Amino acid sequence: AQKVTQAQTEISVVEKEDVTLDCVYETRDTTYYLFWYKQPPSGELVFLIRRNSFDEQNEISGRYSWNFQKSTSSFNFTITASQVVDSAVYFCALSEGVASARQLTFGSGTQLTVLP
Amino acid sequence: KAGVTQTPRYLIKTRGQQVTLSCSPISGHRSVSWYQQTPGQGLQFLFEYFSETQRNKGNFPGRFSGRQFSNSRSEMNVSTLELGDSALYLCASSYGLAGETQYFGPGTRLLVL
Repeated sequence: AQKVTQAQTEISVVEKEDVTLDCVYETRDTTYYLFWYKQPPSGELVFLIRRNSFDEQNEISGRYSWNFQKSTSSFNFTITASQVVDSAVYFCALSEGVASARQLTFGSGTQLTVLP
Repeated sequence: KAGVTQTPRYLIKTRGQQVTLSCSPISGHRSVSWYQQTPGQGLQFLFEYFSETQRNKGNFPGRFSGRQFSNSRSEMNVSTLELGDSALYLCASSYGLAGETQYFGPGTRLLVL
């Protein structure tokens, strides 16, 4: 069975601080996909990044960066120089590598509050 | 391209009633998945439809059902509503390939009284 753990329930930082959101996953599959989504108060899940299990290269997109380490089954997300608009709930998710089992298994989410 | 749309956005029902929620996927997408989000259980997968066929189903009772039409629009139905069915129901669309990104709609907030 697949499992995603986001141990940080809530994080509060002051604007311009860097913040890292942790994600640890469990799966027996050799092919799998990892995702991060952002959920603002409006409720819609906004896609941020997708990674497959064969690509451990870290990625940077503006102030966002992701660190994927298969050795520790982790896929952590860092926001550099946080802004108030980054306040939201962030979800890490995992899916299997077969079309018949595409459902996303989500972590419990991390509520990030960025204070001005 | 227009995003995923869901109707209605808000709904209030009473116990025992039934409800139908609608989801229109992104143009060209053939897969629609439904998720339930509650404070206690988090985000849980309900089912996925691909080319009008249910391809996968989560661990929910038979009161939860769905269907998909030839234009890929999908509906989900919950019969005999219970208080615990109060939740945000999210649908997501994609082309239907393994590991592909799913794009979510704004959700329908259902309150059961």
